[in-house]
Amino acid sequence: EAGVTQSPRYAVLQEGQAVSFWCDPISGHDTLYWYQQPRDQGPQLLVYFRDEAVIDNSQLPSDRFSAVRPKGTNSTLKIQSAKQGDTATYLCASSPGTGGALAEQFFGPGTRLTVL
Amino acid sequence: GDSVTQMQGQVTLSEDDFLFINCTYSTTWYPTLFWYVQYPGEGPQLLLKVTTANNKGISRGFEATYDKGTTSFHLQKASVQESDSAVYYCVRTGGYKVVFGSGTRLLVSP
Repeated sequence: EAGVTQSPRYAVLQEGQAVSFWCDPISGHDTLYWYQQPRDQGPQLLVYFRDEAVIDNSQLPSDRFSAVRPKGTNSTLKIQSAKQGDTATYLCASSPGTGGALAEQFFGPGTRLTVL
Repeated sequence: GDSVTQMQGQVTLSEDDFLFINCTYSTTWYPTLFWYVQYPGEGPQLLLKVTTANNKGISRGFEATYDKGTTSFHLQKASVQESDSAVYYCVRTGGYKVVFGSGTRLLVSP
C-alpha cells in the first residue's frame, strides 16, 4: 500500500511569490492534516480536514495561507505571498477511520520550502 | 491553554544506557497521548499511543507511562542502541486539537 505522497519535495522562492503544495493521503483515510515544521522545531498543526470539511484551522494564517480538500481525497495548501518566516518543511499526514485526531497519523516526507 | 512541554532539548547517551525523556502537558480535556519519532529527511512516525483507559504503552523496547495526577507522559527504554538516534516528540490530542512538543534529540554513540 502506498504511503502519503507530497509534491514538490523542494521549493525555493523569492519573497512575495506564491506556492502550492500537494498531498495525496493513504487510500481510505478520511482525515488529512497539514503541519509546518521550522528547522529544529516540532511540527505545528496548520489545518486538518475530515473528508472535505475543515475541523480545525485556528493556526492557519488566513491572510496568506489557504487549504482545500474538495473531494475529500487529495489536498492543496497554498501560500499567497511568501515571507522569509515561512521557510520550513510542510508536512502532510493522514489517519484512518472514525478515530479522527485520536488515531495514528501517517506522515509524508514533506516539502522543504526556502523563501529568500 | 493546551500545551506540551519537553524540557530536554537533547540527550546524549552511549549504547546500552537507560533512556528517560520527560513530557508534561496541560489540558482541560482527557487527552490521548502519543510518542512519535522522526529520522532525518523523513516525516514523524508513531512509536507509542496511550489513552486514559490503559495508562501505559510498550513498543520496540520503548515504554511510556501516563500519569494523570502529575499530567506527565514519560518515555523510557532500558538499553538504547545507536539506531535509536532520532528526534522524539510527545503529542497530545483531545477536543479536536493536536499539539506536538518541541522534541528531544537523542544521540547514541557506539
